[in-house]
Amino acid sequence: RKEVEQDPGPFNVPEGATVAFNCTYSNSASQSFFWYRQDCRKEPKLLMSVYSSGNEDGRFTAQLNRASQYISLLIRDSKLSDSATYLCVVKPGGFKTIFGAGTRLFVKA
Amino acid sequence: DVKVTQSSRYLVKRTGEKVFLECVQDMDHENMFWYRQDPGLGLRLIYFSYDVKMKEKGDIPEGYSVSREKKERFSLILESASTNQTSMYLCASSLLHLGLAGVHEQYFGPGTRLTVT
Repeated sequence: RKEVEQDPGPFNVPEGATVAFNCTYSNSASQSFFWYRQDCRKEPKLLMSVYSSGNEDGRFTAQLNRASQYISLLIRDSKLSDSATYLCVVKPGGFKTIFGAGTRLFVKA
Repeated sequence: DVKVTQSSRYLVKRTGEKVFLECVQDMDHENMFWYRQDPGLGLRLIYFSYDVKMKEKGDIPEGYSVSREKKERFSLILESASTNQTSMYLCASSLLHLGLAGVHEQYFGPGTRLTVT
């Protein structure tokens, strides 16, 4: 079983739609959680951290469910510019950082 | 603005060649990382370094070595390139102390697409 698993997609949604991605992790002792965004042929960049209480940044909402060991990312009112691959990132502790393989999102006009 | 630069965007090498990939960051970050990214597998950590001349193996160090002689520079070395090392190589840097959640961020370079023939 992979340490971090994501649905690879692709998710194809129209502009204005709401879309949600989930990511499961296997190490129950994991400490920190993040979502990174990677545009086609570009490097990953931090989108947002995921806090235990859940957090929101504009149209983006991240949630953590420790009991079920998953994190989620919700994108409301999707824009064409949201088209990208979204990487789930988990830090079990120390230096180790585990990246998921990513979920591809295509937002269409 | 944090900048991480990598020496080449594209590289083609022959099997058995020694390959050097260079990475430089300008933010005085303590941590530096080398990953490879392959379709369906995500980013996998090859090596990281938390200080000059210090290095730690990641998940897939076999066939690779690293060098960090200066804080801003972290080199990845393929001692004898093989076709299964054809991949996208990404360098990243970050501050040493994670502090509060949300402070941590790894800054990535643009990547080097290496093809070994």
